[in-house]
Amino acid sequence: DQQVKQNSPSLSVQEGRISILNCDYTNSMFDYFLWYKKYPAEGPTFLISISSIKDKNEDGRFTVFLNKSAKHLSLHIVPSQPGDSAVYFCAVAGGGADGLTFGKGTHLIIQP
Amino acid sequence: DTGVSQDPRHKITKRGQNVTFRCDPISEHNRLYWYRQTLGQGPEFLTYFQNEAQLEKSRLLSDRFSAERPKGSFSTLEIQRTEQGDSAMYLCAISFGRSEAFFGQGTRLTVV
Repeated sequence: DQQVKQNSPSLSVQEGRISILNCDYTNSMFDYFLWYKKYPAEGPTFLISISSIKDKNEDGRFTVFLNKSAKHLSLHIVPSQPGDSAVYFCAVAGGGADGLTFGKGTHLIIQP
Repeated sequence: DTGVSQDPRHKITKRGQNVTFRCDPISEHNRLYWYRQTLGQGPEFLTYFQNEAQLEKSRLLSDRFSAERPKGSFSTLEIQRTEQGDSAMYLCAISFGRSEAFFGQGTRLTVV
């Protein structure tokens, strides 16, 4: 039973355009949401997070949007750069668990 | 550099052997986590320590798995009588609270 779903296994975007990665969750008790980026053979790297009391958080080219009523969050990357090609994981905290719960990831490919 | 060093980076072992992994946070963080990642999945929570106390264990952590964090600094994860299903990337992460976790580069275990 997946509590965090990333329904797009892969996404291809042209360099310079906007990349939008989506994530849905099932438990309304989750109260902190994070995005991680992962290159092959490395650990995940923290990108950006958002608390449930906010609906938007921005850090440079990265913006995370949270829609609590829809239990949906998204990561916007603009403009997309070749170095952004990686697997992106959505993660959530709360819901009675002490660790993070991750989605299965979306492989973002930035095409020149 | 996330401030988390894991050793070894790669480990190949025969089925039935015991293996031990080590995680060294560079600075003091009160929370230390172990996760496991298999192909096509996001990281899955295994266990976590607050200082030297092991506070939560996932049902994924069978009796063959044991983790320690003596003196609240480095941590070890031991797998006894390894099985092929134990093949995965084992990730260590640190955090100050229950928000962002910073991961090491992981230990890739292959059981043959």
